Amino acid sequence: KAGVTQTPRYLIKTRGQQVTLSCSPISGHRSVSWYQQTPGQGLQFLFEYFSETQRNKGNFPGRFSGRQFSNSRSEMNVSTLELGDSALYLCASSLEGENEKLFFGSGTQLSVL
Amino acid sequence: AQSVAQPEDQVNVAEGNPLTVKCTYSVSGNPYLFWYVQYPNRGLQFLLKYITGDNLVKGSYGFEAEFNKSQTSFHLKKPSALVSDSALYFCAVRDHADAGKSTFGDGTTLTVKP
Repeated sequence: KAGVTQTPRYLIKTRGQQVTLSCSPISGHRSVSWYQQTPGQGLQFLFEYFSETQRNKGNFPGRFSGRQFSNSRSEMNVSTLELGDSALYLCASSLEGENEKLFFGSGTQLSVL
Repeated sequence: AQSVAQPEDQVNVAEGNPLTVKCTYSVSGNPYLFWYVQYPNRGLQFLLKYITGDNLVKGSYGFEAEFNKSQTSFHLKKPSALVSDSALYFCAVRDHADAGKSTFGDGTTLTVKP
């Protein structure tokens, strides 16, 4: 079974631009969640989607948004990029249920110049 | 609200010695607790989880963790450390009250020296 696939692997953008990151979950997983990882802040929860619906959202500004498609693939969008948005963005998929483990992709490393 | 604390940024042990990486948590309901490991430039990999039942949970690569409800702790342990265990370790918690969300600790860097 293929793992969680995130594209692109690396991105370089400038302030004010927008960016879209993509995540393909493991086949059969309907839950997809996104995390921002930075050296100073650790892993911060962005949002989680299940069956195309956002079930939960972290404490990020409205510039961060996401969506999930009928095939469970998910995209995350960040508009009006700021220098502080530079981070590793991780996507994780899981089966339904709070006792289920997360399967992570390798992440997208975003650098904002 | 969920929260997780990993009080040590760094743990250093000698190869062959036992290791412990500490984790405490706070949730409003019954916790589901997880440990993940991250190697450089990679995503996180699942090590083990506690759902219910036996307080000692065994996981991948010889790791185990002990759930202590009264101390709200879930410390990761291994009887004999290997150099290849050197990595960044994250403790995480989920609960029914916050569907779909996992809260992670800040991570502990484990260094095992030969």
